[in-house]
Amino acid sequence: ETGVTQTPRHLVMGMTNKKSLKCEQHLGHNAMYWYKQSAKKPLELMFVYNFKEQTENNSVPSRFSPECPNSSHLFLHLHTLQPEDSALYLCASSQGRGAEKLFFGSGTQLSVL
Amino acid sequence: AQSVTQLGSHVSVSEGALVLLRCNYSSSVPPYLFWYVQYPNQGLQLLLKYTSAATLVKGINGFEAEFKKSETSFHLTKPSAHMSDAAEYFCAVRGTSYDKVIFGPGTSLSVIP
Repeated sequence: ETGVTQTPRHLVMGMTNKKSLKCEQHLGHNAMYWYKQSAKKPLELMFVYNFKEQTENNSVPSRFSPECPNSSHLFLHLHTLQPEDSALYLCASSQGRGAEKLFFGSGTQLSVL
Repeated sequence: AQSVTQLGSHVSVSEGALVLLRCNYSSSVPPYLFWYVQYPNQGLQLLLKYTSAATLVKGINGFEAEFKKSETSFHLTKPSAHMSDAAEYFCAVRGTSYDKVIFGPGTSLSVIP
């Protein structure tokens, strides 16, 4: 399998649930990103990791907790979410710093009830 | 601060007609600029990028864009639209933070047979 893979593709959760989104890249990249894509709004950068170290946190609420155990894997742990958190969550990776070419996964469509 | 605006949330063209998608940016530093495309149920894919070299940039699928500093623009064009070009197009600028790419709101392109 090649590219950036995200699981699950779809997730429905209640506001009291805890769930995790997973992203895996098979491109040998060292930078990984979480973006949020909501209807009628531009893509919002959430977190950036370079060589497993977090380099950007774009004022994301603490109910979103990222984890990057190695350069190939990125998780987004979710707890006590709100309905307005419903969105498409996109993972991306890039080689080196500078985000000159982002490779995106297909996303996880999250619905919070 | 860096920002991107895209004029027209939706553009319709006839098959074979010129495609013109508009992008204007604001940047406090010499910008790196990008166009990404998103097909239904997929992640984003890089079409082309400007990184301070040639002002006319050629990308994949016959698209090109011209960087005009005086107009702070980076419009995307294609001489002849194809049905397969129907998608969402995003202009983006790299922020002052090396890892931060800021996306515009997107333009949905429809191609009419």
